[in-house]
Amino acid sequence: DGGITQSPKYLFRKEGQNVTLSCEQNLNHDAMYWYRQDPGQGLRLIYYSQIVNDFQKGDIAEGYSVSREKKESFPLTVTSAQKNPTAFYLCASGPENTEAFFGQGTRLTVV
Amino acid sequence: GENVEQHPSTLSVQEGDSAVIKCTYSDSASNYFPWYKQELGKGPQLIIDIRSNVGEKKDQRIAVTLNKTAKHFSLHITETQPEDSAVYFCAAIAKRFAGNQFYFGTGTSLTVIP
Repeated sequence: DGGITQSPKYLFRKEGQNVTLSCEQNLNHDAMYWYRQDPGQGLRLIYYSQIVNDFQKGDIAEGYSVSREKKESFPLTVTSAQKNPTAFYLCASGPENTEAFFGQGTRLTVV
Repeated sequence: GENVEQHPSTLSVQEGDSAVIKCTYSDSASNYFPWYKQELGKGPQLIIDIRSNVGEKKDQRIAVTLNKTAKHFSLHITETQPEDSAVYFCAAIAKRFAGNQFYFGTGTSLTVIP
């Protein structure tokens, strides 16, 4: 089946630890996006990539890093520099100038 | 940059009534406006969209209107049902040098009371 898959669904991070969230799509989309969702704040853009080996910072990129080595994959690393990482993270992909298709999200909690 | 405002933040309606959610945007270059429905613990799903060359679009009980001059667009749900209860997000897409960016509203939590 075609779609966008995020894993894991739930992730727990200890203080000072880096963690990586996976996002894979088999829709042949060029563009991929990472959003952070906090209650009452909607979706905020962390990073986006329009093409392999290229990505751009969004509005809240500090404390996060990404890579785009393959068209299908756009992993997000939440580094220890991100002071408040507990949130719901959403990955999306899309062809240019049309809707974004979202994954089911990863809920990250700091313990 | 683009700024999308969405109102109301919460909305309760009786089953069978209509629900209207409104959004405004600031960037006149924005040309695509999707609406998403998000159920608890899941990712948003597209329910309807409209492009800037169209004033209204309808799909069964859902319709979207766009007023480019006033820079606002609205989602209308008629004959609401309990399964319409969810959080709804509007978005505007603006073309940037490095590619398109989606700007989302802050969401409307809709509750349909049986």
